Amino acid sequence: EAGVVQSPRYKIIEKKQPVAFWCNPISGHNTLYWYRQNLGQGPELLIRYENEEAVDDSQLPKDRFSAERLKGVDSTLKIQPAELGDSAVYLCASSSDQGGEQYFGPGTRLTVT
Amino acid sequence: AQSVSQHNHHVILSEAASLELGCNYSYGGTVNLFWYVQYPGQHLQLLLKYFSGDPLVKGIKGFEAEFIKSKFSFNLRKPSVQWSDTAEYFCASGDSSYKLIFGSGTRLLVRP
Repeated sequence: EAGVVQSPRYKIIEKKQPVAFWCNPISGHNTLYWYRQNLGQGPELLIRYENEEAVDDSQLPKDRFSAERLKGVDSTLKIQPAELGDSAVYLCASSSDQGGEQYFGPGTRLTVT
Repeated sequence: AQSVSQHNHHVILSEAASLELGCNYSYGGTVNLFWYVQYPGQHLQLLLKYFSGDPLVKGIKGFEAEFIKSKFSFNLRKPSVQWSDTAEYFCASGDSSYKLIFGSGTRLLVRP
């Protein structure tokens, strides 16, 4: 069974540029999560989807971050414009149901210069 | 607000030494607890989890953790570590909202 797929694995951009990350969860997993992991810290939830509905986006900085999961399968997280403080690893995870074990992807390491 | 504290940021052990990594959580209600591990160059993966029942939980690769409700703790243990256990370990708690709160992680280095 394929795991959670994320792309790109690494991204370097200048500040004020836009950037997008893509995630394809494990097949059949209805719940999808986006986390941000700053250096030396644990992951912090940005947004959680149940199918195509964002059920928890309270931690998403909505002035510059947006996310979508149009068909309830893969998802895109966008930052526009990026700031220096956005440098982090962006992790996607999925689970088969709410509260179930979360399976993590390899993450996208973003560097904003 | 929920929080998870991991006491040690870096731990260095020799092979065959015993391991105990501390984890304390703040949430006072029903809580689910997890330990995740991230091996060098790999993604986060679940070591073990506690939802209810026996407070001593056994996970993969010989790891176990004990839930002590009175101490709000969920410490990870392994009687004899191996070089291949070198990794970063994260404790996490989840409440009824299914939101996971992670600790800041403990980097374990096992010397051969």
